[in-house]
Parts: sequence; structure tokens; C-alpha cells
Amino acid sequence: QVQLVESGGGVVQPGRSLRLSCTVSGFTFSSYSIHWVRQAPGKGLEWVAFISYDGSDKYYADSVKGRFVISRDNSKNTIFLQMSSLKPEDTAVYFCARDSGWERSFDYWGQGSLVTVSS
Amino acid sequence: DIQMTQSPSTLSASVGDRVTITCRASQSISSWLAWYQQKPGKAPKVLIHKASSLQSGVPSRFSGSGSGTEFTLTISSLQPDDFATYYCQQYRNYSITFGQGTRLEIK
Repeated sequence: QVQLVESGGGVVQPGRSLRLSCTVSGFTFSSYSIHWVRQAPGKGLEWVAFISYDGSDKYYADSVKGRFVISRDNSKNTIFLQMSSLKPEDTAVYFCARDSGWERSFDYWGQGSLVTVSS
Repeated sequence: DIQMTQSPSTLSASVGDRVTITCRASQSISSWLAWYQQKPGKAPKVLIHKASSLQSGVPSRFSGSGSGTEFTLTISSLQPDDFATYYCQQYRNYSITFGQGTRLEIK
């Protein structure tokens, strides 16, 4: 079955860096684009970043542009989100989600990884 | 960025009720709209894609309609499992945005 599993979350001080991973199984990873979506405690969903199936296209929300970098390693079935210059407002549960393709929705999601930015 | 506005923010209803949630886009998104259901502590689950197409495995009491800037999600007969928060999402281009959510609670 399709699975996405996030890891790498934790507590980090403002201004520091953290890297999240999303490891997938159950489908042909190299054929699908992937997104990161976050949800601050008690708040709604915010799209963060996109990477195409082959890594050639990447897009970011304005709130993270220049600070976050999305990448993928198709040999390891893994997506990464490198987060730098972290701010308290980056505190959230971070989900990775599979892009469904022509339907333009997110059809499978991971369980989420909590990132807390605090001194 | 395209802003997505859902209404109402909170909806109280009873089992068996028919409910409708509205989502408005700040500019036309054609039919590039999806609806998600999220329960506390869980990841969202897609219900509807392309405004009106039911995701595989989703009960037929869920339906979506609309195009351009006005969209609705309707649940024809609420079941106990449907009490959750619902989000719309536009995906016209790669500046994806979600509505603020509608919390559906038991009356």
C-alpha cells in the first residue's frame, strides 16, 4: 500500500537549520511529484513546497522562499526539506503529500512531523 | 496569490442533516479545486478533486460543484464519522492555497 513517512522533526532554536525527510513506498516514486504542507498548532493548512517527479521543477510559498530547499533522491525513495534561518512562525506539523497528477490534488499524505522553533 | 475563503467557519448540524460548505476564490481557478477532510491529529484526506469528481473510495453522500470562483461541498446525509474539519484547496498553478477551514460539529 502507498505510504509516506516523515522524519527529522524536533525542537530547534530560532535562526538554526533542520532537515526533514519523507520516505515513500508502495508506488513508483520516480513517477510522482511531491509537496510539503504544514499546519501550525490549532491553525489551517499551508502549502510549503513542490518538487516535480524528476526534480527539475521546484516551487515555494513566499513565506519560505530563500530559506527552505526541497530536493529528492529517487534512488532512496526520499524527499527532503532543508529548512534554514528558522523562525518561531515556522513551528508546525509538516506533512509530505503525493501529487495525484492530472487531477491536481494531494491523494496520499504522511502522518506528519512536528517542528518546534523555540529558544 | 489566490485567496480562498470558506464559509461558514463553523457549522453545527445533526446526524442525517444535509449540509453545504462554500468556498470562494479571489480569481478564477477554472475547476482546479479539491476538498479535504481532516480529523484531529490526522493527515487530511482528499474527498473531491477537479471541483466535482469524487475520489475513489469516498462515500457518495459527498458531492462537489462549481467552477470559476464559487464552489460548494455538500454532504447529503451526515453520518457520525463526518464530524471533522473541511478544507478547500486551489491548484490552478504552483502557488497553491487552502481555505481557512470549516469545522463541522455535532449540534
